Amino acid sequence: DIVMTQSPDSLAVSLGERAIINCKSSQSVLNRSNNKNYLAWYQQKPGQPPKLVINWASTRESGVPDRFSGSGSGTDFTLTISSLQAEDVAVYYCQQYYTTPLTFGGGTKVEIK
Amino acid sequence: EVFLVQSGAEVRKPGESLKISCKDSGDTFANSWIAWVRQMPGKGLEWMGMIYPDDSHVTDDSHIRYNPSFQGHVTFSVDKSIKTAYLQWSSLKASDTAIYYCARGVLWFDSWGQGTLVTVSS
Repeated sequence: DIVMTQSPDSLAVSLGERAIINCKSSQSVLNRSNNKNYLAWYQQKPGQPPKLVINWASTRESGVPDRFSGSGSGTDFTLTISSLQAEDVAVYYCQQYYTTPLTFGGGTKVEIK
Repeated sequence: EVFLVQSGAEVRKPGESLKISCKDSGDTFANSWIAWVRQMPGKGLEWMGMIYPDDSHVTDDSHIRYNPSFQGHVTFSVDKSIKTAYLQWSSLKASDTAIYYCARGVLWFDSWGQGTLVTVSS
């Protein structure tokens, strides 16, 4: 199985400041035949199901604010919230879909400082 | 927009059986994989597997994929006539206590049910 490791476990950021979440996979999730990274990011607010934020490592889902951006390739990925808003408080998960079983990172909790 | 509506919370004793449901209110049920995802209390997300509702062209089990970690303990099924997917246990354990989500997608999941809380306790 591909193990997804997120860091940090939690972070507190002031409103309007940048939040950076890291995700590392135990093996590459880059498909060299199409040059796509098989990685998604989700946001889960308390008491709610997860919500897809980004797929293909950097493609924002429709309706997701442009303060959210994804980057990285191969085994190292980053989700950046450029200017944290109160409504961004949530747990964020990365997920690889390069191979089954599909696997998620352990989550990063983002709070307001 | 696809809405997945799951059945309500359940409480069972260890050893009992259970079947929870996920109804698709949209028009893409027959052409979309439905996955099941477990979230144990205070923990992260675990992909249990997925099922493709339209099995009319298959003669094997290729329309069902189980995470080996869950295979043999849970069963996926569908009723296409009512656009509903099911997750079933024949013998629950206390460690099955969790929220179970259904979600649409085969690679990533862009639509999720609200979750079903399953509590297994003697």
